[in-house]
Amino acid sequence: DGGITQSPKYLFRKEGQNVTLSCEQNLNHDAMYWYRQDPGQGLRLIYYSQIVNDFQKGDIAEGYSVSREKKESFPLTVTSAQKNPTAFYLCASRTRTGNVNQPQHFGDGTRLSIL
Amino acid sequence: AQKITQTQPGMFVQEKEAVTLDCTYDTSDPSYGLFWYKQPSSGEMIFLIYQGSYDQQNATEGRYSLNFQKARKSANLVISASQLGDSAMYFCAMREETGRRALTFGSGTRLQVQP
Repeated sequence: DGGITQSPKYLFRKEGQNVTLSCEQNLNHDAMYWYRQDPGQGLRLIYYSQIVNDFQKGDIAEGYSVSREKKESFPLTVTSAQKNPTAFYLCASRTRTGNVNQPQHFGDGTRLSIL
Repeated sequence: AQKITQTQPGMFVQEKEAVTLDCTYDTSDPSYGLFWYKQPSSGEMIFLIYQGSYDQQNATEGRYSLNFQKARKSANLVISASQLGDSAMYFCAMREETGRRALTFGSGTRLQVQP
């Protein structure tokens, strides 16, 4: 079945450590997105990529980095510069062509906590 | 800039009754899409329904319908015949059809269906 796979499901970060969250999709989607969700709140956009080898900052990009070397993969690195990384991270993808009503499809998320 | 407002942090409904979840939005873009997602306690985001800004009729998907009032900039979700499995967080989101095409989310409404 086509879908978005995020790993790991749970992740713990030590002080000063960079950690990378994986996001892989087999939906043949061009556009991919990373969102952060804090408890009891909505999702906020971290980074997005409309096409391979290109990505743009979202609303809360500070302390994060991404790469888009393959269409299927959009990993997110939470750097030590992100002082409050504890949150639920969701990856999404969407086709850029076809009907404008195409929704974003989401992975199951990664819960990141500080040790 | 886009903004989504959900003014109901929590709602209760009796099983088999209908419930309306409120959503208002603000945008200067003439072309946009409105989405509703359901997030169970497990965390995944489940797409429910879509309404385009130029759609003449309100969207319906099974027990879900969207009460779209463009002049009032509101896009309320109506769930008919509530079921216990409908208990979850519900998020309203908007996507402008130009630019980054990412979703802007509201803060969500927690719906609890009572037997």
